[in-house]
Amino acid sequence: AQKITQTQPGMFVQEKEAVTLDCTYDTSDQSYGLFWYKQPSSGEMIFLIYQGSYDEQNATEGRYSLNFQKARKSANLVISASQLGDSAMYFCAMRGLNTGNQFYFGTGTSLTVIP
Amino acid sequence: SQTIHQWPATLVQPVGSPLSLECTVEGTSNPNLYWYRQAAGRGLQLLFYSVGIGQISSEVPQNLSASRPQDRQFILSSKKLLLSDSGFYLCAWKLPGSGNSPLHFGNGTRLTVT
Repeated sequence: AQKITQTQPGMFVQEKEAVTLDCTYDTSDQSYGLFWYKQPSSGEMIFLIYQGSYDEQNATEGRYSLNFQKARKSANLVISASQLGDSAMYFCAMRGLNTGNQFYFGTGTSLTVIP
Repeated sequence: SQTIHQWPATLVQPVGSPLSLECTVEGTSNPNLYWYRQAAGRGLQLLFYSVGIGQISSEVPQNLSASRPQDRQFILSSKKLLLSDSGFYLCAWKLPGSGNSPLHFGNGTRLTVT
Protein backbone atom coordinates (compact mmCIF):
# COMPACT_ATOMS: atom_id res chain seq x y z
CA ALA A 1 0.00 0.00 0.00
CA GLN A 2 1.08 3.54 -0.71
CA LYS A 3 0.85 6.31 1.84
CA ILE A 4 1.75 9.99 1.71
CA THR A 5 2.06 12.06 4.87
CA GLN A 6 2.15 15.83 5.06
CA THR A 7 2.41 16.83 8.71
CA GLN A 8 2.18 20.61 8.31
CA PRO A 9 -1.45 21.67 7.91
CA GLY A 10 -0.44 25.34 7.67
CA MET A 11 2.76 27.28 7.08
CA PHE A 12 3.64 30.98 6.98
CA VAL A 13 6.60 32.54 5.23
CA GLN A 14 7.79 36.08 4.77
CA GLU A 15 7.85 37.34 1.21
CA LYS A 16 11.23 36.75 -0.49
CA GLU A 17 12.20 34.10 2.06
CA ALA A 18 12.56 30.36 1.36
CA VAL A 19 10.18 27.77 2.78
CA THR A 20 10.26 23.98 3.03
CA LEU A 21 7.09 21.89 2.86
CA ASP A 22 7.47 18.40 4.27
CA CYS A 23 6.38 15.15 2.66
CA THR A 24 7.11 11.59 3.73
CA TYR A 25 5.95 8.49 1.97
CA ASP A 26 5.66 4.78 2.40
CA THR A 27 5.67 2.28 -0.42
CA SER A 28 6.67 -1.29 -1.16
CA ASP A 29 7.54 -0.40 -4.77
CA GLN A 30 11.20 -0.28 -5.71
CA SER A 31 10.47 2.19 -8.48
CA TYR A 32 8.17 5.15 -7.93
CA GLY A 33 7.60 8.77 -8.80
CA LEU A 34 6.98 11.70 -6.49
CA PHE A 35 5.04 14.79 -7.55
CA TRP A 36 4.15 18.15 -6.06
CA TYR A 37 1.04 20.13 -6.96
CA LYS A 38 -0.16 23.63 -6.12
CA GLN A 39 -3.84 24.36 -5.61
CA PRO A 40 -4.76 28.08 -5.46
CA SER A 41 -8.08 29.18 -4.03
CA SER A 42 -9.59 28.83 -7.51
CA GLY A 43 -9.31 25.05 -7.10
CA GLU A 44 -7.22 24.10 -10.11
CA MET A 45 -4.38 21.66 -9.50
CA ILE A 46 -1.09 22.81 -10.99
CA PHE A 47 1.80 20.37 -11.46
CA LEU A 48 5.05 21.80 -10.07
CA ILE A 49 7.82 19.24 -9.99
CA TYR A 50 8.65 15.53 -10.36
CA GLN A 51 11.27 13.28 -8.76
CA GLY A 52 11.91 9.69 -9.81
CA SER A 53 13.07 7.22 -7.20
CA TYR A 54 16.19 6.40 -9.20
CA ASP A 55 17.09 9.98 -10.03
CA GLU A 56 20.44 10.76 -8.47
CA GLN A 57 20.01 14.52 -8.63
CA ASN A 58 17.36 16.46 -6.76
CA ALA A 59 14.79 17.89 -9.16
CA THR A 60 14.61 21.63 -9.74
CA GLU A 61 12.09 23.75 -11.65
CA GLY A 62 12.70 27.46 -11.40
CA ARG A 63 12.09 28.52 -7.79
CA TYR A 64 10.96 25.01 -6.86
CA SER A 65 13.35 22.27 -5.79
CA LEU A 66 12.79 18.89 -4.27
CA ASN A 67 14.92 17.73 -1.35
CA PHE A 68 14.79 13.98 -1.95
CA GLN A 69 16.14 11.73 0.80
CA LYS A 70 15.40 8.18 -0.30
CA ALA A 71 16.63 6.41 2.83
CA ARG A 72 14.40 8.59 4.98
CA LYS A 73 11.53 8.33 2.47
CA SER A 74 11.09 12.05 2.33
CA ALA A 75 10.51 14.39 -0.60
CA ASN A 76 10.31 17.92 0.73
CA LEU A 77 9.44 20.84 -1.54
CA VAL A 78 11.59 23.95 -1.23
CA ILE A 79 10.25 27.23 -2.57
CA SER A 80 12.86 29.93 -2.82
CA ALA A 81 12.24 33.67 -2.85
CA SER A 82 8.56 33.33 -1.90
CA GLN A 83 6.06 35.53 -3.69
CA LEU A 84 2.53 36.52 -2.66
CA GLY A 85 1.20 34.39 -5.50
CA ASP A 86 2.70 31.30 -3.85
CA SER A 87 -0.06 31.39 -1.23
CA ALA A 88 -2.00 28.18 -1.89
CA MET A 89 -2.47 24.57 -0.84
CA TYR A 90 0.41 22.28 -1.75
CA PHE A 91 -0.01 18.55 -2.24
CA CYS A 92 2.58 15.81 -2.40
CA ALA A 93 1.68 12.75 -4.47
CA MET A 94 3.21 9.40 -5.34
CA ARG A 95 2.78 6.80 -8.01
CA GLY A 96 4.24 3.31 -7.77
CA LEU A 97 5.60 2.63 -11.22
CA ASN A 98 5.31 -1.14 -11.03
CA THR A 99 2.05 -1.63 -9.21
CA GLY A 100 -0.45 0.36 -11.19
CA ASN A 101 -1.61 3.69 -12.46
CA GLN A 102 -2.89 5.13 -9.23
CA PHE A 103 -1.62 8.41 -7.81
CA TYR A 104 -1.95 8.87 -4.07
CA PHE A 105 -2.05 12.29 -2.47
CA GLY A 106 -1.24 13.67 0.94
CA THR A 107 -3.64 15.88 2.89
CA GLY A 108 -1.86 19.04 1.83
CA THR A 109 -0.16 22.04 3.42
CA SER A 110 -1.66 25.50 3.30
CA LEU A 111 1.04 28.08 2.62
CA THR A 112 0.52 31.77 3.34
CA VAL A 113 3.08 34.28 2.14
CA ILE A 114 3.18 37.39 4.32
CA PRO A 115 4.11 40.71 2.69
CA SER B 1 -1.36 20.72 -27.10
CA GLN B 2 -3.52 18.72 -24.77
CA THR B 3 -6.47 20.19 -22.95
CA ILE B 4 -9.00 18.82 -20.50
CA HIS B 5 -12.55 20.04 -20.15
CA GLN B 6 -14.72 19.34 -17.15
CA TRP B 7 -18.28 20.49 -16.59
CA PRO B 8 -20.30 21.83 -14.98
CA ALA B 9 -18.17 24.07 -12.79
CA THR B 10 -20.73 24.15 -9.99
CA LEU B 11 -23.76 22.06 -9.24
CA VAL B 12 -26.41 22.06 -6.51
CA GLN B 13 -28.49 18.90 -6.36
CA PRO B 14 -31.06 17.59 -3.86
CA VAL B 15 -30.52 14.37 -1.97
CA GLY B 16 -31.73 11.39 -3.97
CA SER B 17 -31.29 13.03 -7.36
CA PRO B 18 -29.05 11.58 -10.09
CA LEU B 19 -25.64 12.92 -11.04
CA SER B 20 -23.66 13.08 -14.23
CA LEU B 21 -20.31 14.85 -14.48
CA GLU B 22 -18.46 14.80 -17.75
CA CYS B 23 -14.80 15.15 -18.64
CA THR B 24 -13.19 15.17 -22.07
CA VAL B 25 -9.56 15.35 -23.13
CA GLU B 26 -8.29 16.76 -26.41
CA GLY B 27 -4.95 16.46 -28.15
CA THR B 28 -3.91 12.99 -27.02
CA SER B 29 -4.89 9.39 -27.60
CA ASN B 30 -5.59 6.61 -25.13
CA PRO B 31 -4.97 8.71 -22.03
CA ASN B 32 -5.25 7.30 -18.55
CA LEU B 33 -8.25 9.03 -16.96
CA TYR B 34 -9.04 9.66 -13.31
CA TRP B 35 -11.79 10.95 -11.03
CA TYR B 36 -10.81 12.38 -7.65
CA ARG B 37 -12.94 13.89 -4.89
CA GLN B 38 -11.74 16.52 -2.46
CA ALA B 39 -13.81 17.18 0.65
CA ALA B 40 -13.61 20.70 2.09
CA GLY B 41 -10.13 21.32 3.48
CA ARG B 42 -9.02 17.77 2.78
CA GLY B 43 -6.76 15.89 0.42
CA LEU B 44 -7.67 14.15 -2.81
CA GLN B 45 -9.40 10.79 -2.72
CA LEU B 46 -9.04 8.63 -5.82
CA LEU B 47 -12.47 7.39 -6.90
CA PHE B 48 -11.97 5.77 -10.31
CA TYR B 49 -9.36 5.44 -13.00
CA SER B 50 -9.38 4.04 -16.50
CA VAL B 51 -6.63 2.87 -18.84
CA GLY B 52 -8.90 2.34 -21.84
CA ILE B 53 -12.44 2.36 -23.22
CA GLY B 54 -14.76 0.37 -21.01
CA GLN B 55 -12.01 -0.34 -18.46
CA ILE B 56 -12.82 1.14 -15.04
CA SER B 57 -11.03 0.53 -11.76
CA SER B 58 -12.76 1.56 -8.57
CA GLU B 59 -10.79 2.54 -5.52
CA VAL B 60 -13.58 3.18 -3.05
CA PRO B 61 -16.94 1.33 -2.98
CA GLN B 62 -19.76 3.86 -2.81
CA ASN B 63 -22.86 4.96 -4.64
CA LEU B 64 -20.86 6.50 -7.47
CA SER B 65 -19.95 4.88 -10.78
CA ALA B 66 -17.80 5.81 -13.74
CA SER B 67 -17.90 5.05 -17.43
CA ARG B 68 -15.63 5.61 -20.39
CA PRO B 69 -17.79 5.37 -23.50
CA GLN B 70 -15.16 6.93 -25.76
CA ASP B 71 -11.37 7.09 -25.70
CA ARG B 72 -11.21 10.64 -24.36
CA GLN B 73 -14.47 10.84 -22.42
CA PHE B 74 -14.89 9.99 -18.75
CA ILE B 75 -18.21 10.25 -16.93
CA LEU B 76 -18.94 10.14 -13.21
CA SER B 77 -22.47 9.18 -12.25
CA SER B 78 -24.77 8.45 -9.39
CA LYS B 79 -28.34 7.20 -9.37
CA LYS B 80 -29.15 8.75 -5.98
CA LEU B 81 -26.98 11.40 -4.36
CA LEU B 82 -26.24 11.41 -0.64
CA LEU B 83 -25.34 14.43 1.49
CA SER B 84 -21.88 12.93 1.89
CA ASP B 85 -21.33 13.17 -1.87
CA SER B 86 -20.83 16.92 -1.56
CA GLY B 87 -17.32 17.97 -2.49
CA PHE B 88 -14.99 19.13 -5.20
CA TYR B 89 -14.65 16.63 -8.04
CA LEU B 90 -11.59 16.68 -10.22
CA CYS B 91 -11.00 14.86 -13.48
CA ALA B 92 -7.42 14.25 -14.59
CA TRP B 93 -5.47 12.59 -17.37
CA LYS B 94 -1.94 11.36 -17.96
CA LEU B 95 -0.01 9.86 -20.83
CA PRO B 96 -0.31 6.07 -20.91
CA GLY B 97 2.60 4.01 -19.67
CA SER B 98 4.90 6.93 -18.97
CA GLY B 99 6.36 6.60 -15.51
CA ASN B 100 7.23 10.23 -15.03
CA SER B 101 4.14 11.67 -16.66
CA PRO B 102 2.21 13.81 -14.17
CA LEU B 103 -1.52 14.06 -13.81
CA HIS B 104 -3.11 17.01 -15.58
CA PHE B 105 -6.28 18.21 -13.94
CA GLY B 106 -9.46 19.85 -15.10
CA ASN B 107 -10.83 22.89 -13.31
CA GLY B 108 -13.12 20.78 -11.15
CA THR B 109 -16.82 20.64 -10.31
CA ARG B 110 -18.03 21.90 -6.97
CA LEU B 111 -21.00 19.73 -5.99
CA THR B 112 -23.34 20.64 -3.16
CA VAL B 113 -25.96 18.10 -2.20
CA THR B 114 -28.82 19.69 -0.25
